[in-house]
Amino acid sequence: NAGVMQNPRHLVRRRGQEARLRCSPMKGHSHVYWYRQLPEEGLKFMVYLQKENIIDESGMPKERFSAEFPKEGPSILRIQQVVRGDSAAYFCASSLREYNEQFFGPGTRLTVL
Amino acid sequence: EDKVVQSPLSLVVHEGDTVTLNCSYEVTNFRSLLWYKQEKKAPTFLFMLTSSGIEKKSGRLSSILDKKELFSILNITATQTGDSAVYLCAVEANFGNEKLTFGTGTRLTIIP
Repeated sequence: NAGVMQNPRHLVRRRGQEARLRCSPMKGHSHVYWYRQLPEEGLKFMVYLQKENIIDESGMPKERFSAEFPKEGPSILRIQQVVRGDSAAYFCASSLREYNEQFFGPGTRLTVL
Repeated sequence: EDKVVQSPLSLVVHEGDTVTLNCSYEVTNFRSLLWYKQEKKAPTFLFMLTSSGIEKKSGRLSSILDKKELFSILNITATQTGDSAVYLCAVEANFGNEKLTFGTGTRLTIIP
């Protein structure tokens, strides 16, 4: 059973470009979470989604950031007009049902030049 | 706002030593506390604790939760170099608040 998959693993963007990060949850998991980890800081919650629904986006910046988890396909975290401060590792996690343990993907390391 | 504090921030010990990592928390409507091990990539799930005083064990690792004093400890006995990692503690709240709030982690280094 494959774990949580994320791609790309590394992404380099210039300021002003768009970044698209993908996450495929573990098989059978319908709950997806995105976290951001800045250098030397802990993981910070961004958004929680179930299929076709955003459940909690309280940790996501109001501008430039959006997330979706369509009926078919992976969850996408989209960052428009990236700035240097967006450089971080973005982790996706999934769980089987609510209040189950969350399993993490390998992360996407975004570098903004 | 929910808060998780881990100590120490870093720890260096020799192979074979026993270590205890600490995690204290402040959470409204606490539901569970989770421990993860993070090497270079994905945090790897270790334990989920919901009940006070019940030890969870997996090989040389064990953890216990004290809901009265609002803390948890993670013990690792007979440490090995492969235990070198950042250990993360996170808490989860009830009532539709499934996000995990993480501490900044304890960086454990095992010297051969």
